[in-house]
Parts: sequence; structure tokens; C-alpha cells
Amino acid sequence: EAGVTQSPTHLIKTRGQQATLRCSPISGHTSVYWYQQALGLGLQFLLWYDEGEERNRGNFPPRFSGRQFPNYSSELNVNALELEDSALYLCASSPLAGENNEQFFGPGTRLTVL
Amino acid sequence: KNEVEQSPQNLTAQEGEFITINCSYSVGISALHWLQQHPGGGIVSLFMLSSGKKKHGRLIATINIQEKHSSLHITASHPRDSAVYICAVLFYNTDKLIFGTGTRLQVFP
Repeated sequence: EAGVTQSPTHLIKTRGQQATLRCSPISGHTSVYWYQQALGLGLQFLLWYDEGEERNRGNFPPRFSGRQFPNYSSELNVNALELEDSALYLCASSPLAGENNEQFFGPGTRLTVL
Repeated sequence: KNEVEQSPQNLTAQEGEFITINCSYSVGISALHWLQQHPGGGIVSLFMLSSGKKKHGRLIATINIQEKHSSLHITASHPRDSAVYICAVLFYNTDKLIFGTGTRLQVFP
């Protein structure tokens, strides 16, 4: 069974640009979570999607947004990129709604903002 | 306040040693995850537990709800166990995972 996949692996952008990151959950999983791991900081919760709807978001500005498609894959969009957005962005999926279910993580997308 | 603390921050061991990583949290939780992050960033979920003890191979995770404390043990450690181990907690009063800062483990041959 294929795991959670993310693309691209690496992404380099300049300040002010927009970045789009993609995630495909494990087949059968309906919930997708996005996390940010900035250099020197721990993982922080960004967004949670389930059944196509945003269920919760972390303490991030509206520049961070996303969506979940009917096939449960998800996109994370970051607008007006700032230098401090440089981080590893991790996607995770779980078979049931709610963060108290085991999550399976993807390999991450490393975003560098120059 | 929902807080998660891990100790130690860094841990060095010789191959074969028994490893213990600790996680303490501030208030009641509904679940606790132990995650492993290898260099390069990939994260693997090791355990999810809300009570008692779980074992998978050389890894054992325990949780004491009354003491608000969990431990991750690695028996017969191996250099391939070298990674960052992260504790993540789902508190009762929120539906967001709160992560510890991680424990960086290096196991030398």
C-alpha cells in the first residue's frame, strides 16, 4: 500500500511569490493535516481537512490556505511568501476524522524563500 | 496552558544501550503520539497511545495518565535508531496536536 506522498520534494521561491504544495493521502484516508517545521522550531499544526472541508487551522496568517479535493488529495497554498516561510512542510493523513487518530506522515516538501 | 516537554534534548548512546526518552504534558489528554524523524525530514509515526503500554519490535512506549508522563524506550539500540524523536499530544480542550521540541538521539557503533 502506498504511503502519503507529497510534491514537490523541494521548492525554491522568492519573496512575494506564491507556493503550492501537494499531498496525496493513503488510499481510504479522508483526513489530511498540514504541519510546518521551521528551522530551529518544532512542528506546528497548520491546517486540517476532512471530507473536503477545513476543520481547523493553527495560528497562521490567512496567507496560508488550502483545499481538499474530492479524491481527498490536498493543496497547501502560501501567498505573498516571506523569508520566514522557509520550512519543511509535512502532510499527514488518517483514516478517520479527528486528530486523536493515528496519523501517517509524508516525506515533506522543503520550501526555501529567497 | 497546553504544554509538552521532552527530555533530554540530546542523547548520545553506544550501540546496544537501553534508551529512554521522556515526555511530560500539562493537562489532560485524549491521545499521545511518538514520532520519529530522520535526517532529511521524513516522519514516521511510531505509536499512538492513550493508556498503558505498547510494544513494537525493540520499541516500547508507556504512558502514566495520573502523572501526565510518557516514555519511549529503545532496547538494544542501533546506529540506525539515530533520529529525532518527537512527542505529540492531543489535549482534551483542543483538537490540535501540540508537539514537543524533540529529542535528538545519536547511537554510535
